[in-house]
Amino acid sequence: VYLVESGGALVHPGGSLRLSCEASGFTFSSHWMAWVRQAPGKGLEWVANIKQDGSQTYYVDSVKGRFTISRDNVNYLVYLQMNSLRAEDTAVYYCVRYPLSGSTSFAYWGQGTLVTVSS
Amino acid sequence: QSVLTQPPAVSAAPGDKVTISCSGNRFNIGNNHVSWYQQFPGTAPKLLVYDNSERPSGIPDRFSGSKSGTSATLGITGLQTGDEADYYCATWDDSLRAGVFGGGTKLTVL
Repeated sequence: VYLVESGGALVHPGGSLRLSCEASGFTFSSHWMAWVRQAPGKGLEWVANIKQDGSQTYYVDSVKGRFTISRDNVNYLVYLQMNSLRAEDTAVYYCVRYPLSGSTSFAYWGQGTLVTVSS
Repeated sequence: QSVLTQPPAVSAAPGDKVTISCSGNRFNIGNNHVSWYQQFPGTAPKLLVYDNSERPSGIPDRFSGSKSGTSATLGITGLQTGDEADYYCATWDDSLRAGVFGGGTKLTVL
């Protein structure tokens, strides 16, 4: 199982960014996927998740209305579209995979991609 | 402030046993399974325990998890200096309809 994030960058407050996560080594369309972030020197924060077919998505309150999670099951990709970015969105963003069992644990993590929101 | 409450730091001597607590409510820990993660600086977290007390393959039995009511506990026996890391609990919250993590506990092996 491999999860490789990309798209992190330095962006100005109010700007937009789209993160991508390329998955491999498993049947992508069988798993819920999620994004978890970690601000510098801080703890982990769950951001959003998406059902296997993309029909259900959930978000942490602080990003609702600004971030959108989506997926491409043909190309084994999951995205996080981030709009109206704020300084407090600065973090390493990890792509994670849920197991098949329905457990809410994350056995597989990407290496993370850094998003910096600053003027 | 995190939805799940963990002690910021714990410490113990090599060879000792340590427990890390994770406190929630009936909407999160009280109604869902808990997982635990170990994180070293600059690296992605690693799953130690899932579904309250199950260990993924490759995780030594020095690590154990338990849950009672609205609290969960990670236990580590035979502490080694290599266990010095940050530890996080996590679960789903039915009220928030979101995943939640604890604030993390820094383990120091003196």
